[in-house]
Amino acid sequence: GIQVEQSPPDLILQEGANSTLRCNFSDSVNNLQWFHQNPWGQLINLFYIPSGTKQNGRLSATTVATERYSLLYISSSQTTDSGVYFCAAVSGGSYIPTFGRGTSLIVHP
Amino acid sequence: NAGVTQTPKFQVLKTGQSMTLQCAQDMNHEYMSWYRQDPGMGLRLIHYSVGAGITDQGEVPNGYNVSRSTTEDFPLRLLSAAPSQTSVYFCASSYRIRYEQYFGPGTRLTVT
Repeated sequence: GIQVEQSPPDLILQEGANSTLRCNFSDSVNNLQWFHQNPWGQLINLFYIPSGTKQNGRLSATTVATERYSLLYISSSQTTDSGVYFCAAVSGGSYIPTFGRGTSLIVHP
Repeated sequence: NAGVTQTPKFQVLKTGQSMTLQCAQDMNHEYMSWYRQDPGMGLRLIHYSVGAGITDQGEVPNGYNVSRSTTEDFPLRLLSAAPSQTSVYFCASSYRIRYEQYFGPGTRLTVT
């Protein structure tokens, strides 16, 4: 099946800093999502982005399907951005989403 | 809309006991699924359903049963709980398979 790798595994920032999280996948995809798992365990949808670029406030995401990666940008980070960020991909021949192991982000005030 | 709801939020079982985790959605979504989340492992798919009366296995189905008698509900049954099933369980739904998924709040299960 498809392999999904996220980097970096851990990230520590000061409030106000910018960051880029990466998601690499081993096969073509027809579904790519980014989620934020907050410190209370809730999984929050950030982007549904099988290709192209989307923006939502301080967050934006880009998926380059032909090169098999997606990037999540966080600008002017806030302490409420802390948590784990997951990407999940579904390859063209599958119905089963595969999650990466996540990037753990801590934003200090 | 309540979205995706799960009950209970927490549960402690003894080895060998059985129980059912409940999941419901009010968005008229065709696709529903169950995941388990273990430390350092991300989320892994247990079972999924593409509509009422249709279910299929995911990546880690052993020890779990599902059925889908209505569009709204997708319960997960643990037949004989084992300590290896200690985990956080998430239910998710989407309009159709491969569409954007929405997750419930999760059930934290401990098997002693």
